[in-house]
Amino acid sequence: QKEVEQNSGPLSVPEGAIASLNCTYSDRGSQSFFWYRQYSGKSPELIMFIYSNGDKEDGRFTAQLNKASQYVSLLIRDSQPSDSATYLCAVGSNDYKLSFGAGTTVTVRA
Amino acid sequence: GAGVSQTPSNKVTEKGKYVELRCDPISGHTALYWYRQSLGQGPEFLIYFQGTGAADDSGLPNDRFFAVRPEGSVSTLKIQRTERGDSAVYLCASSFRPAEAQYFGPGTRLLVL
Repeated sequence: QKEVEQNSGPLSVPEGAIASLNCTYSDRGSQSFFWYRQYSGKSPELIMFIYSNGDKEDGRFTAQLNKASQYVSLLIRDSQPSDSATYLCAVGSNDYKLSFGAGTTVTVRA
Repeated sequence: GAGVSQTPSNKVTEKGKYVELRCDPISGHTALYWYRQSLGQGPEFLIYFQGTGAADDSGLPNDRFFAVRPEGSVSTLKIQRTERGDSAVYLCASSFRPAEAQYFGPGTRLLVL
């Protein structure tokens, strides 16, 4: 069983819509959760992090964490073509190394 | 400010050769991490440094891989007797403290022929 699972996609949404990305993890002791955006041929770029249950909003992005369900999600509101990328969910355990999902590819249709 | 830098950006080598990949973390960041990313996959943890010491090298695939960080800043990942299966993007990341957000460098794309 993979430690961090994401739907691979592709997830196609029209411009201006909400994109919803999901991630589940297996280690109940995980304490830190991150979302990275990765454009093709580029390295991962941090866009959100969350440590506590509930919602965290930053601009058009909202991260949601439910530790009881071992579930973390990312919402992208008012999606733009520039949001087209692969989104990586990363989970921190033992306070340092990150375990990554394989990523969800998002395509925003103009 | 300057982000994480990595050199070279691309490296092509022949099977059996030795390669060194360099990482310069964000100034002031004490924690440094190496990951490897294959096509279509998320980054895979290799090794973590806190200061000069390797706090966890459990992700290194075998003893052909070794990494150092002698002065607590720049780190070098060394791969001996390279194999075609070592071909991947090698990513370096740093964080101000362990467990805090990690920021990635641009990566080194290694191709072993």
